[in-house]
Amino acid sequence: EPEVTQTPSHQVTQMGQEVILRCVPISNHLYFYWYRQILGQKVEFLVSFYNNEISEKSEIFDDQFSVERPDGSNFTLKIRSTKLEDSAMYFCASSQIELRDTEAFFGQGTRLTVV
Amino acid sequence: SQQGEEDPQALSIQEGENATMNCSYKTSINNLQWYRQNSGRGLVHLILIRSNEREKHSGRLRVTLDTSKKSSSLLITASRAADTASYFCATVLFSGGYNKLIFGAGTRLAVHP
Repeated sequence: EPEVTQTPSHQVTQMGQEVILRCVPISNHLYFYWYRQILGQKVEFLVSFYNNEISEKSEIFDDQFSVERPDGSNFTLKIRSTKLEDSAMYFCASSQIELRDTEAFFGQGTRLTVV
Repeated sequence: SQQGEEDPQALSIQEGENATMNCSYKTSINNLQWYRQNSGRGLVHLILIRSNEREKHSGRLRVTLDTSKKSSSLLITASRAADTASYFCATVLFSGGYNKLIFGAGTRLAVHP
């Protein structure tokens, strides 16, 4: 069964460093998303991406964050200068069509620890 | 204000019992989706119910939606230890925000053998 894959599963980085989280969405999906979940808290929307551009973003997704689909299969989230409060589980998701008509498929997540 | 709120926050039951989790929301929705999350893992979609639907079933799962009360419930019948997980409702708004899920805080379900 097709699945969304994320790498790495766990990343530890020093405060102020740049990190890139990688995702391979399901191959025939057209909509891509990043969410994060701080330990013990709810899942929060970061950004949605369609047709090579951001379609929606949350207040969390400030200038320190960027997304890219560099090669037609990977979908990346970059955090330019990490802060302690960026420590969280980051989930990539994809959907074939808009979420008003379908569900999202999530990856297993990347646990980011900023020290 | 938060779009989705689940109750209870935690639920502990014995195998074979039914588990009911509730979700309330504030803004008109296009659809409401339920997801399951095993500890430290990704989210798995369970059921999508549209705003014009009142009830949906999938195996041992039954979801209801009451748009007049802005609430939904997820019922798991004849629970098993393997159902132990966190369950989240997520809404897709009726206007604006077609491409994001707004999650509630979740219910942690523990099913004891």
